Amino acid sequence: GAGVSQSPRYKVAKRGQDVALRCDPISGHVSLFWYQQALGQGPEFLTYFQNEAQLDKSGLPSDRFFAERPEGSVSTLKIQRTQQEDSAVYLCASSLGDATDTQYFGPGTRLTVL
Amino acid sequence: AQKVTQAQTEISVVEKEDVTLDCVYETRDTTYYLFWYKQPPSGELVFLIRRNSFDEQNEISGRYSWNFQKSTSSFNFTITASQVVDSAVYFCALSERGNNRLAFGKGNQVVVIP
Repeated sequence: GAGVSQSPRYKVAKRGQDVALRCDPISGHVSLFWYQQALGQGPEFLTYFQNEAQLDKSGLPSDRFFAERPEGSVSTLKIQRTQQEDSAVYLCASSLGDATDTQYFGPGTRLTVL
Repeated sequence: AQKVTQAQTEISVVEKEDVTLDCVYETRDTTYYLFWYKQPPSGELVFLIRRNSFDEQNEISGRYSWNFQKSTSSFNFTITASQVVDSAVYFCALSERGNNRLAFGKGNQVVVIP
């Protein structure tokens, strides 16, 4: 079956622009996660959805970061007024149950802010 | 708080040698889950194994094996008879009940030299 997909794969933005990153989870997966991975580091948690409810957004680094999953399937991570420090790979993952279940990851979106 | 330590940053081995990756974790919970993921140069995180805290039985899958020791809070990973295709970054991760995230280590870069 299809895995987690993300689009775009690469995004270049000028500082101050808004960006939107999309994630299509595995069909039927209840939970969806966003992580941020800086170069040479492990992924860092951003936010967690169970169906359409955002249950944890404690990892979002600032109020410029916003995520939604309105119908409990596709999710969008939006970054407003991008800054250079936002440059990273943004990974989406989904799991059948909760965060203790196996999370399956998408290929990521590499964001570069100039 | 969850914490995962992978002390070795880069490991180089000659093809057919064995390589062991160390993972040490910290948690206050008695119920937790440990994972290993592989991140090849393409960037996608590939799930390798999930183990719960009540199952200390070692596991072997082909050339991969895992050694879980609660007494030392370690979950080490061994690749036997390494191949060039094993070249990747390997991440150890921890999930606790009620904590909506995976906590990753910094990863081990494995380079297999032909």
